[in-house]
Order: sequence, then C-alpha cells, then structure tokens
Amino acid sequence: AQSVTQLGSHVSVSEGALVLLRCNYSSSVPPYLFWYVQYPNQGLQLLLKYTSAATLVKGINDFEAEFKKSETSFHLTKPSAHMSDAAEYFCAVSDRTGNQFYFGTGTSLTVIP
Amino acid sequence: ETGVTQSPTHLIKTRGQQVTLRCSSQSGHNTVSWYQQALGQGPQFIFQYYREEENGRGNFPPRFSGLQFPNYSSELNVNALELDDSALYLCASSLDAYPDTQYFGPGTRLTVL
Repeated sequence: AQSVTQLGSHVSVSEGALVLLRCNYSSSVPPYLFWYVQYPNQGLQLLLKYTSAATLVKGINDFEAEFKKSETSFHLTKPSAHMSDAAEYFCAVSDRTGNQFYFGTGTSLTVIP
Repeated sequence: ETGVTQSPTHLIKTRGQQVTLRCSSQSGHNTVSWYQQALGQGPQFIFQYYREEENGRGNFPPRFSGLQFPNYSSELNVNALELDDSALYLCASSLDAYPDTQYFGPGTRLTVL
C-alpha cells in the first residue's frame, strides 16, 4: 500500500527566504509522486509531478522537487518565497496502475513580510 | 480556471438523507476522480471512473457510489448520510488515468446535521 507523510503541518518563512516542505513516501515499488497547492476556498492545483524521468522535477512558480529513492523522499523547494505562496501544500502518491491515489495531510505555508 | 465545475457550491442535509453532487469535467477528459476532504485534512480518494466504468476505489463504503456520463459529467451519490460525511467533496478530471495531470474543481461543501 502507498502512503505519504508530510513533516510539519505548519511552516513559516520570511519573504525572500528558502521554502522547504518535506514529504516522505512509503511504497513497495517506485511510485508516481505529486505536489499540489490549495488556496483558501479553492480546489487543488498541480505544482509538479515525478513519473520516473528526471529525479529533479521543475514545476510552476519556481517550485521544484527531487525524488530520492534512498531516502524515500520528495521534498518541495523554492529559492525565494513570495507572499502569494501562502497556501496549503499537499504531497500525493499513486502506484503504477494509476487507480489508487493518496494525499498527505498537508503543510500550511505562511510567508512573513 | 481548470475548466472543471461542481454543483452545488454548498449543501446542507440531515442525517439519513441522500445527496447527489455533480461535476462537469473538461471536454475530452475520460477520467474523473472524487475525493473527500475533511476540515484540516488532505483529500481522501473515494473512487475513479474511466469511460463510464469504475476504475479504482478507496476505502469508502458502498453507500458512496458514482456515475460518469458520455457528456463528461459525473455524479457522486451518498446514501444514508452520517455526520462524519460533512466535508469538502472534490472532483478532478484528467485526459487518461494516472499519472496524467488531474484538474480539480472548486469543490462542494457538504454539511450534515
């Protein structure tokens, strides 16, 4: 069975500082991995996804994530936080069959001016 | 704007009643998935439909059922509502099964009293 664990339900960074949101996965086979963002009262938007091509994945709005099999991690980073990045971020995993999909519990990002 | 719409936006029901939630996918998207997001939690996968057939199911009881129609619309039906069914219900459409990008609607907020 697949699962993801997001470390830190709340993260605060200063505007312009590095953003690091942590995600670890559990899977018996290499999974597909995703990061989504959810703004208040809105649905989820895909930031990036890993599907076994390059291990360093670049997404929208300068976000990127690196798949590390040895650490079973898929942490999300952004070099410089903007106020508009304040939102809820979800890591998700699916297996290769594609018919099961699991989200983490989310990390709320606050950006301090 | 993802092109995925959901109706209604908000809904209040009482325990034991039945509810139908609707989703309109992007044109041409063969796959629709439904998720339940309780307050402060990540979305939980309910089920996925591909070309009008159920293609995967999460850990939800049979009183959660769905339909997908040829016109790219779909329904989530919940019978015998329980208080714990109160949540945001999200649908997401994709061209094909995972790992195709899912496009989420804004959700329907269901309150069960």
